[in-house]
Amino acid sequence: DVKVTQSSRYLVKRTGEKVFLECVQDMDHENMFWYRQDPGLGLRLIYFSYDVKMKEKGDIPEGYSVSREKKERFSLILESASTNQTSMYLCASSSGPSGANVLTFGAGSRLTVL
Amino acid sequence: AQSVTQLDSQVPVFEEAPVELRCNYSSSVSVYLFWYVQYPNQGLQLLLKYLSGSTLVKGINGFEAEFNKSQTSFHLRKPSVHISDTAEYFCAVSDRYTGGFKTIFGAGTRLFVKA
Repeated sequence: DVKVTQSSRYLVKRTGEKVFLECVQDMDHENMFWYRQDPGLGLRLIYFSYDVKMKEKGDIPEGYSVSREKKERFSLILESASTNQTSMYLCASSSGPSGANVLTFGAGSRLTVL
Repeated sequence: AQSVTQLDSQVPVFEEAPVELRCNYSSSVSVYLFWYVQYPNQGLQLLLKYLSGSTLVKGINGFEAEFNKSQTSFHLRKPSVHISDTAEYFCAVSDRYTGGFKTIFGAGTRLFVKA
């Protein structure tokens, strides 16, 4: 019954490494999102995509990039990981442009950068 | 810009007691409002949503929320909590006119139910 799958639940990386976080959804949703979750700050939007090969910056895009080559897959890339990117990363998807649409989340990827 | 304030970062409560988790949002324009729940080591899932119509919204697991436009609030309530309700709860808002691409989340309220 899993609908949004994040490939890595826990990752430990070193400063300067390139990090890929993968997300796949099986609901044929147009929209996909990457959020960062930190204690006391809630969820902050990093990037979103409303169509294949389309991407838009969210509120905190610095230090991140994304790729959406197929409708079902949305990847978050940290070109050169830094310790301040240690966080929980949540992928989500939704259908259509309406604000009424519910976000479906993956289980999260907890990244530690040493 | 929209903002969401969850007034309590942590709420401890005894089992079978009532609970209210408070949420205020900033904008006076038409909005959609949501409560999501995150159980330990899981992603977020929808608890309930307000789109239009009746201001009292019922969700899963016995939770309900009331939309108050004049006070720009959307407080979550449950008359009797269970140990299994221990989780983090997020209030979220999206704007009717700019769509769902910029759903704004509050900082979260951690509900801790004690036996």
